[in-house]
Amino acid sequence: EVQLLESGGGLVQPGGSLRLSCEASGFTFGNYAMNWVRQAAGKGLEWVSHIGGGSQIIDYADSVKGRFTVSRDDSKKTLYLQMSRLRAEDTAVYFCTKDAVAANRIYDAFDIWGQGTVVTVSS
Amino acid sequence: EIVLTQSPGTLSLSPGERATLSCRGSQSVTSNYLAWYQQRPGQAPRLLIYGASTRATGIPDRFSGSGSGTDFTLTISRLEPEDFAVYYCQQYGRSASMYAFGQGTKLEIK
Repeated sequence: EVQLLESGGGLVQPGGSLRLSCEASGFTFGNYAMNWVRQAAGKGLEWVSHIGGGSQIIDYADSVKGRFTVSRDDSKKTLYLQMSRLRAEDTAVYFCTKDAVAANRIYDAFDIWGQGTVVTVSS
Repeated sequence: EIVLTQSPGTLSLSPGERATLSCRGSQSVTSNYLAWYQQRPGQAPRLLIYGASTRATGIPDRFSGSGSGTDFTLTISRLEPEDFAVYYCQQYGRSASMYAFGQGTKLEIK
């Protein structure tokens, strides 16, 4: 079964840091681009970050550029999101997602989503 | 940067009825790189449609997508109780700047 499992969420003070992890199973992780998407309570979906297979392509939403760093360890089938200088507006459920097509040249639709991990930024 | 606007914001229908959800782009969607997702309360989104009209694996054929350019539609032919949820459209494409989600349409039981 294809599955994504996020972890690492929690309560952090403004200006603090947190690292999220997403462990993949059931597919050849290294062949697929991966993303982070977040959703504030009662709000819509916001794309956060994209990392291609081999980490050759990395992109961020303007709202997190310079503060968040995405990475992957294909040997461990794990995606990471290092978040620093956190703000109250970063409070959300963070989902990791898998691109629908392997080794694709486009920034694809997301066919698999994890269950999400909650990040709360508050003093 | 494209903006996707979904309408209506809330749609109230009964099981067995037909649902029509709209997604309009501020610019033309490249190569019909348009997806639809369903999100039930407390769950992660689920991919329903990609490429504007192709059903994802395991999606029932009562779900269909259509449209091109700036105007896209998700149709649910006969609503089942489990279809009442929030639906999002998304543009994807050749660069990260093309990623955009609509604000969502809530489909609720009348």
